[in-house]
Amino acid sequence: GAGVSQSPSNKVTEKGKDVELRCDPISGHTALYWYRQSLGQGLEFLIYFQGNSAPDKSGLPSDRFSAERTGGSVSTLTIQRTQQEDSAVYLCASRDWDRGPSHTEAFFGQGTRLTVV
Amino acid sequence: AQSVSQHNHHVILSEAASLELGCNYSYGGTVNLFWYVQYPGQHLQLLLKYFSGDPLVKGIKGFEAEFIKSKFSFNLRKPSVQWSDTAEYFCAVNARGNNRLAFGKGNQVVVIP
Repeated sequence: GAGVSQSPSNKVTEKGKDVELRCDPISGHTALYWYRQSLGQGLEFLIYFQGNSAPDKSGLPSDRFSAERTGGSVSTLTIQRTQQEDSAVYLCASRDWDRGPSHTEAFFGQGTRLTVV
Repeated sequence: AQSVSQHNHHVILSEAASLELGCNYSYGGTVNLFWYVQYPGQHLQLLLKYFSGDPLVKGIKGFEAEFIKSKFSFNLRKPSVQWSDTAEYFCAVNARGNNRLAFGKGNQVVVIP
């Protein structure tokens, strides 16, 4: 596609429910990032995928958070047993890593605004 | 792991004023540096980037940034801002050989007409 696509754009869920957030990266981009954006907190790194390598999960805040990337393309971020502090905008970005990390920037989607009530 | 510091989280200024936003990072090796901008209601987009070469980088909309290696800084500047520059600005750092792209907490800039 023309850009990074995320769905849904908005999600309201009840505390304790599970949610799935989807990211469609730019076609051909092998690197994919998930970030969480909270007011005044900037962008908090969550997880990174690069091709077939093991993902860098070091930013996931708890074991309630998980992510997968199927076929090297679409990625899903899953939050289990949501809590109110999970409310934030979840951003996905992709990067054309194959061109070399020294020459490329990350492209961001519009984000999913998650509200846990 | 690298970290990024941005100062003066909220900046309010009048049109035609000059803008400078500070960015400092903590990593001793070679880095790629970025400034991203997020206009109200829009997604993050790249303003400018530095990979190598001339440390003074020019970006879109009249913005520029200067990489000073000795100060671990990559400050963003614009000589004369417009109301349309109202946005949140994020500095980001990617250490060479490290996949993680680390962001600062951002600067909320409001330009008053």
